[in-house]
Amino acid sequence: SAVISQKPSRDICQRGTSLTIQCQVDSQVTMMFWYRQQPGQSLTLIATANQGSEATYESGFVIDKFPISRPNLTFSTLTVSNMSPEDSSIYLCSVEFVPGDATAQYFGPGTRLTVT
Amino acid sequence: KQEVTQIPAALSVPEGENLVLNCSFTDSAIYNLQWFRQDPGKGLTSLLLIQSSQREQTSGRLNASLDKSSGRSTLYIAASQPGDSATYLCAVRILTSGTYKYIFGTGTRLKVLA
Repeated sequence: SAVISQKPSRDICQRGTSLTIQCQVDSQVTMMFWYRQQPGQSLTLIATANQGSEATYESGFVIDKFPISRPNLTFSTLTVSNMSPEDSSIYLCSVEFVPGDATAQYFGPGTRLTVT
Repeated sequence: KQEVTQIPAALSVPEGENLVLNCSFTDSAIYNLQWFRQDPGKGLTSLLLIQSSQREQTSGRLNASLDKSSGRSTLYIAASQPGDSATYLCAVRILTSGTYKYIFGTGTRLKVLA
């Protein structure tokens, strides 16, 4: 499986500021995803990070609030802009990987964000 | 629109019990189904992957089955241990608007008592 790292692992930020989260994979992958997990909830897909083009955002998420970069096949960043307490969540990146002849999803350790 | 539901939402059992977690999805047009484990405040760990053409997969004390036509999957945990305590999530891989993505279930929070 792919090994995925995220930085930072956690942060406490003031409202109105922005935070950029990094996701690094140890091998080249085509598909990378960013999710949000609010306290006590399941995962909600924010966007698919596309290499060389704009990210594809899900309904309810916009580029101005969550800009995403994907400069190559092993790295992506998610920025949470103009933060409010409602943005307090765990943010997770994942990749689609093909072990053998199956396609599976693997996750990074997550970034726990608290906005005060 | 694909929706994925997991029942029960929470479960507390004594150590040693065999247990079944359920995952239901509304649209049978899935490419695979994956079961994950999440410890508090952590990322997700992949447990089992079932392709749409498969009926079940096994790994150690875990067995996952898939009935695509009825929109159901079960995760069977044999001889549960306190270390199995975690939240278990299922996710289906779908194709929508020309892009593959994953829809997650609501999760089952499991507590195994020593």
